[in-house]
Formats: sequence, C-alpha cells, structure tokens
Amino acid sequence: EDQVTQSPEALRLQEGESSSLNCSYTVSGLRGLFWYRQDPGKGPEFLFTLYSAGEEKEKERLKATLTKKESFLHITAPKPEDSATYLCAVQRRGSTLGRLYFGRGTQLTVWP
Amino acid sequence: EAQVTQNPRYLITVTGKKLTVTCSQNMNHEYMSWYRQDPGLGLRQIYYSMNVEVTDKGDVPEGYKVSRKEKRNFPLILESPSPNQTSLYFCASSPAGAYEQYFGPGTRLTVT
Repeated sequence: EDQVTQSPEALRLQEGESSSLNCSYTVSGLRGLFWYRQDPGKGPEFLFTLYSAGEEKEKERLKATLTKKESFLHITAPKPEDSATYLCAVQRRGSTLGRLYFGRGTQLTVWP
Repeated sequence: EAQVTQNPRYLITVTGKKLTVTCSQNMNHEYMSWYRQDPGLGLRQIYYSMNVEVTDKGDVPEGYKVSRKEKRNFPLILESPSPNQTSLYFCASSPAGAYEQYFGPGTRLTVT
C-alpha cells in the first residue's frame, strides 16, 4: 500500500512556464514531509521540510506547501537547470526517527 | 568537506558471491540509512540505524545485512547476492532530531 503518491510521473515545461508537482500521502499521523531533488546519476539533495498544514517554504523558484492530505511543489518561471527528478518523502508520527517513506518521484524536464 | 562516501561506485558480480558496500560519513551524524532505487519503484529503505549497535528494518530488508560498529560507518552486506538485487544503492545520514538526510553518490550493483 503506497503511503506517498506523486503526480504527474513526468512533466515537460517550456522555460518560464510555471507549474506544480503534487505529493499526496495517506499516513495516519504526519511528523514531517520532505522534498528532495535528484539529478541523473546522483544522490538526492534535500530541499525542504514541512511539518504542519498551512506551512510554506521557499527557495529561489521553488515553493513547497502542505495541507492535511498533500503537498505541492510550485515551480515559478522554471529554467532548464531546474530539470531533475523531484522526490517527496514522509515520516510517520510514532515511527522511529530515520524511517522514511518515499514517493516514486516526478521527472521534470524544462526546455528552452 | 562534509560528505557521505560509498565504495565501490560500480560493481558487477555473480550470483552467490558475498559482497560488502561501504558507507562512511564525516559529519558525526547519529542516523544512517541504506536505500535501493529501481525504475518505477522509487527509493525504498532497506535498513536504518539510529546509533552505534542500533539498527532496524526498512521496506525491503530481505537478503541484506547491516552493522553499525562505529558511528561513521554503516556497511551493507549481501551474503548471497541474486539478480533481483541488481539496483542503484544509496547511503544517507542525518543528525539526531533533524530530518534532512545527506545522500552519498550511489553504488550501481549488477548481479549476473
């Protein structure tokens, strides 16, 4: 049973065309939700942690938001260097710290 | 430079030949994890460790062993590798009380 579902699986955007990636989760109690970026052939790189509904975090062209059932990663005016796979992960309340559940990722391609 | 290192980066082996993938971090982190990444399945946690001599199973522990005898090292052992363990493996670490995980560069393992 998937606890973290990301959509779409793949997204192609023209440079400057803003959009959002979705991460929905079904864990009964959320301790934290995390966004990572992964470039081909490399390990994931941490972007954001969100803890409670209504929380927002921003970094350059990226903004992450959280509701009680899902998180969005908004990409404003993307550039080709934003092309990567974006991963979402959750940690359940009551589980051991360090236990994470990842989604399958959204592969983003931004073309000039 | 703060980092997580893995060795080897690439390995081709045969079914049944025991192997060890090493992971080391120089950030004095308490938590360490092993993940495997497969196309269409995303990142799945194999084992994680909360501190020296404290480990627990993740999503897919079958066929793997780990040990944490020193804080900086967390080797992954495949006692009798099989072709279904062909995958890209990542080690990660994080400090206690924080959720940001630092990932290593990955080890691409092929079992024939």
